[in-house]
Amino acid sequence: ETGVTQSPTHLIKTRGQQVTLRCSSQSGHNTVSWYQQALGQGPQFIFQYYREEENGRGNFPPRFSGLQFPNYSSELNVNALELDDSALYLCASSLESGSPSDTQYFGPGTRLTVL
Amino acid sequence: AQSVTQLGSHVSVSEGALVLLRCNYSSSVPPYLFWYVQYPNQGLQLLLKYTSAATLVKGINGFEAEFKKSETSFHLTKPSAHMSDAAEYFCAVINNNAGNMLTFGGGTRLMVKP
Repeated sequence: ETGVTQSPTHLIKTRGQQVTLRCSSQSGHNTVSWYQQALGQGPQFIFQYYREEENGRGNFPPRFSGLQFPNYSSELNVNALELDDSALYLCASSLESGSPSDTQYFGPGTRLTVL
Repeated sequence: AQSVTQLGSHVSVSEGALVLLRCNYSSSVPPYLFWYVQYPNQGLQLLLKYTSAATLVKGINGFEAEFKKSETSFHLTKPSAHMSDAAEYFCAVINNNAGNMLTFGGGTRLMVKP
């Protein structure tokens, strides 16, 4: 049990729609990262937020966006869904952004299916 | 940029046998390395991490890994496999070019035969 929760557990959308995924970090964790895990692959970094500002971004288009709130919750928004967006979306929280040795604690993920 | 490669997408061992999951890294700077485990339909759980202290790192559930700079390796081992060890295992390296993001290997699925 990492103390990181995500909602919803599963979600089905159609191509072209928009989706919002939610994450609640451990209390006191100022950094949240989002990852996309396609079936049979390792997770890929989408972006990271630190104290409500984007702090780093992977190789994902601008239709992937995020928000982080002062209450340790965060959102991942995806616009204009494509079939290839079908994946498990994981959020991970950590204490601070500056320490590379800081452990990232993962939530259980949201399984998104795009039809 | 730092990266990791996991050799063997599937590994099968008998219960009680040695578990060896291989991970090689590529990094121009001293790396921070991690092993995570993922059980079916769950998120990732940290097994252990290397942060430039002791080269032999002990983790949870009897797992350990040894950092070998000369071989650029960080292989995960467990002396005696248990049925409950069946899961997907991911090696990862911190890439601090983009907010300390984790870069994962492709994963190794461990199967344990009774």
